[in-house]
Amino acid sequence: GAGVSQSPRYKVTKRGQDVALRCDPISGHVSLYWYRQALGQGPEFLTDFNYEAQQDKSGLPNDRFSAERPEGSISTLTIQRTEQRDSAMYRCASTPGTGQETQYFGPGTRLLVL
Amino acid sequence: GNSVTQMEGPVTLSEEAFLTINCTYTATGYPSLFWYVQYPGEGLQLLLKATKADDKGSNKGFEATYRKETTSFHLEKGSVQVSDSAVYFCALGGSTLGRLYFGRGTQLTVWP
Repeated sequence: GAGVSQSPRYKVTKRGQDVALRCDPISGHVSLYWYRQALGQGPEFLTDFNYEAQQDKSGLPNDRFSAERPEGSISTLTIQRTEQRDSAMYRCASTPGTGQETQYFGPGTRLLVL
Repeated sequence: GNSVTQMEGPVTLSEEAFLTINCTYTATGYPSLFWYVQYPGEGLQLLLKATKADDKGSNKGFEATYRKETTSFHLEKGSVQVSDSAVYFCALGGSTLGRLYFGRGTQLTVWP
């Protein structure tokens, strides 16, 4: 079956612009996670969802970052007024249930803010 | 809190050499431990996992044992291949939350 998909795969934007990153999890997966990975570092947690409910947003760096999953499937991570420091790989993962299950990752979106 | 400390790379080996990548962790509760791998141009894939102390995870010739006494989850392979060249990430799953805590990754390059 289809895995986790993310779009766009690459995004170049100018400082100050808003961007929306999309994640389409594996069909039927309950939980969805967003991570950010800087070059040479491991992924860092941003936020997660169980169905449509946002569970933990403690990893969002500031109020320019927001995420939603309105119908419990596709999720969008939005960054408003982008800054150069937002440049990174943004990764999405999903799991069938909740808790300590294997997370299935998408290919990521590489964001470059000029 | 939860954190993972991973051996820094890069690691360069000849084919058929023995591989160890060290990983130690700090955790509250009873976490699960994971090794993820990222091959060039691809996303993160689960390599192996262990859910409780003394469990051994294994896959594709790689092994790691969950050692609670030393808070470690070192990755080993007896004979590496060129195709094992990738970035390896150690990760910890919190006992009550689903989020993962990752190490910074270790780049492995295997030469023929």
